[in-house]
Amino acid sequence: GQNIDQPTEMTATEGAIVQINCTYQTSGFNGLFWYQQHAGEAPTFLSYNVLDGLEEKGRFSSFLSRSKGYSYLLLKELQMKDSASYLCAVRVPNDYKLSFGAGTTVTVRA
Amino acid sequence: DVKVTQSSRYLVKRTGEKVFLECVQDMDHENMFWYRQDPGLGLRLIYFSYDVKMKEKGDIPEGYSVSREKKERFSLILESASTNQTSMYLCATGTSSLSEQYFGPGTRLTVT
Repeated sequence: GQNIDQPTEMTATEGAIVQINCTYQTSGFNGLFWYQQHAGEAPTFLSYNVLDGLEEKGRFSSFLSRSKGYSYLLLKELQMKDSASYLCAVRVPNDYKLSFGAGTTVTVRA
Repeated sequence: DVKVTQSSRYLVKRTGEKVFLECVQDMDHENMFWYRQDPGLGLRLIYFSYDVKMKEKGDIPEGYSVSREKKERFSLILESASTNQTSMYLCATGTSSLSEQYFGPGTRLTVT
């Protein structure tokens, strides 16, 4: 099976920066996804990395290093509405499905 | 916008009952997925379908079956519900180009 690890919880202050790490050990690699999920709601797509490097999208950025099996999601200028669970997911070649980590719950405090 | 709907947001069933969860999408996506989500375990794939009448087992198919008679509709069936199937069930869809998956709002099922 696929192994995807991310921290369980993180807490940060409004306006600060938080970095959520994700490491993976999978049978091949064909893309890494980050999703945001607010309590009681469906996950929504945030970012997709398939090549090494940083992808920036507004206050959110995602980084990938395929050689290290490592990604991070960077949330800048944190807002209260960023309090949510963040899910890391990996796709392997020739497979339709995504393998998800357990998710990181981020709590933003005033 | 992609729209994925699920038949119920909350459902309470008794042990041994047959349970149907239905998912409908309006974007003509080939792939549809059923996950369950439990605290500390993340999303785990139960079954997926890449075409009408086609299905494949995911990581935890035991105790579940699925049906895909039409492209837009994917049903998850619990033949005889058990308390360990109390969970949040999420449906998702995606295209054959393997882009991101789109999720429905989820069904929180409680089996008593």
